[in-house]
This record gives sequence, structure tokens and C-alpha cells, in this order.
Amino acid sequence: NAGVMQNPRHLVRRRGQEARLRCSPMKGHSHVYWYRQLPEEGLKFMVYLQKENIIDESGMPKERFSAEFPKEGPSILRIQQVVRGDSAAYFCASSPPGVANEKLFFGSGTQLSVL
Amino acid sequence: GNSVTQMEGPVTLSEEAFLTINCTYTATGYPSLFWYVQYPGEGLQLLLKATKADDKGSNKGFEATYRKETTSFHLEKGSVQVSDSAVYFCALSDGRTDSWGKLQFGAGTQVVVTP
Repeated sequence: NAGVMQNPRHLVRRRGQEARLRCSPMKGHSHVYWYRQLPEEGLKFMVYLQKENIIDESGMPKERFSAEFPKEGPSILRIQQVVRGDSAAYFCASSPPGVANEKLFFGSGTQLSVL
Repeated sequence: GNSVTQMEGPVTLSEEAFLTINCTYTATGYPSLFWYVQYPGEGLQLLLKATKADDKGSNKGFEATYRKETTSFHLEKGSVQVSDSAVYFCALSDGRTDSWGKLQFGAGTQVVVTP
């Protein structure tokens, strides 16, 4: 049973380019969360999605950032026109439907570096 | 808003020493509290949790007790091993069933255990 898969593990972009981060949740999990970890800081919530729906995007920057979780395929976090301040580790987590045991399953993260 | 404060690292210990990582929180209502662990190169894993006051979470020799009177959830282990070297994150959710996966994390505490 594969865990939460994120790719790529490392992504290098130049300022102004677009970054696409992918997250495949665990099998049977329909809820996806994205978190960002800036250097020397804890993880910060960005967005919570269910299949084809954004449930809570209160942690997303208002511009340049978007997320989707289509009916088929992985969840995508998209950052347009990246800036140096976007350099961070981006983690995806998934959970099955319902509260279950309040356990999130995290991927290994994507380290985004903006030159 | 909700917040989590945990002691800064790195914490360096010898094998078989006693480990304590302090965590305090600010929250309204009845939050659930968690400790997550991140081993090098991996995603976060749930270590233990407590969902109400005076609950004790435990796993792999680690323990933490939910203290509402002191708003604390300190992590302890009586005898650490080299394999416990990792970054430990304290986190809370606001306890609402529709947003339990939206966690507030502390900054993380790196623990280094030497032979």
C-alpha cells in the first residue's frame, strides 16, 4: 500500500516561471491538505481539498497560488510567476473520508528552490 | 487565533538519556493536540495524540499529557535511542470535525541522540 506520493522531490525554477507540484494521496483517501514549510519555521496550512472541491483555502496567498484535486489524477499545487520568497518545502497530506482517527498521512515533500 | 510554541532546538542527548520537549498552546474551545515526527528525508508521521483534557497519548515509548490548566502538551521519553534522532513537531487542531486536518504547527525541535 503506497503512501502519499509527491513529485518532484526537488524543483528548481527561475523567477517568473511556473511551478507545479503533484500529490497522489493514499489509496482510498479523498481529502488532501497542502502545507508549506519555510526555513526555520513550522508547517503552515495552505489549502484543504476534496475531490473536485476546494473546502478551505484560507492559508493560500491571494495571488499566484492555486490548487486543484480533480476527479481523476493527483492534486496539483500551482505557483505562477515564482519569486524567491516561494522557496520552501511543500508538503501534501491525505486522509480518508470522515474524522476517522484524526490521522494525517504526509508525503515526503517537494523542495522548491527559486533562483 | 490558535498558536503553538515549542522549545527551540537542537537538543543533543546521549543514548539512554531522558528527553523532554516542551510545548504550549493558545486556543479557544476544545482543541486536539498532536506530536508529529519527521525523520531525515521523510514526511511527517503521527507519533501520538490527545483529544481532551487529561488524556495521555503514548507510542514507541513517548508520552504526552494534555494539560488544560497549563495549556501544555510536553513530549517525554525515558530512554532515547540513536534512532529517535529527528525533528519533532507539536500541533493542534481546533477540534471541529469539519476542519480537523487543518493543523497549527509549532516550529519543530530537532533532537540529536549520540551513541
